[in-house]
Amino acid sequence: GAGVSQSPSNKVTEKGKDVELRCDPISGHTALYWYRQRLGQGLEFLIYFQGNSAPDKSGLPSDRFSAERTGESVSTLTIQRTQQEDSAVYLCASSLAVQINNEQFFGPGTRLTVL
Amino acid sequence: KQEVTQIPAALSVPEGENLVLNCSFTDSAIYNLQWFRQDPGKGLTSLLLIQSSQREQTSGRLNASLDKSSGRSTLYIAASQPGDSATYLCAVKGGSRLTFGEGTQLTVNP
Repeated sequence: GAGVSQSPSNKVTEKGKDVELRCDPISGHTALYWYRQRLGQGLEFLIYFQGNSAPDKSGLPSDRFSAERTGESVSTLTIQRTQQEDSAVYLCASSLAVQINNEQFFGPGTRLTVL
Repeated sequence: KQEVTQIPAALSVPEGENLVLNCSFTDSAIYNLQWFRQDPGKGLTSLLLIQSSQREQTSGRLNASLDKSSGRSTLYIAASQPGDSATYLCAVKGGSRLTFGEGTQLTVNP
């Protein structure tokens, strides 16, 4: 596709349920990032993937959060046993490579609401 | 730890006015700085990217400057229009990640 796509666009879930968010990066982009934006706050880095290298998971807030990426394609962010404080917009971005000064292109985000 | 601050948090101006948004960062060891626009309920649109070796970038009515040594960047918007109303985010890249400010919410009144 022409840009980064994310699905679903909106997700409402009950506390304690697991959710899975999907990101399709721009074709050819080897680097993929996940960020979280809570209401009224800036974006927080969660995790990035670069090709087949080990991902940088240093931004994940707890062990309930995990992410996977197969090769240089789709990534999924999984949140287990969701809590109300997980409510946020989850944004995915991709770029040509992490080590190069390339621009990050963002998807439209998934708005997660935990009741 | 890198910290990015944007001032003001909100700004309301009449149409046609020139304006400046400010961004400051605490660690000058950055690769680049990006300005984004975020519309309500939408993702981020990249406006300008300034590499650490550059001093400014221009695109249409937008001009962004970077003073890495003092940890400052400004986004200048000329002849503002109601369609410019959005939240403007500044982000610096150090290593693999972008560190964002909390944004300036701009309203341009017709």
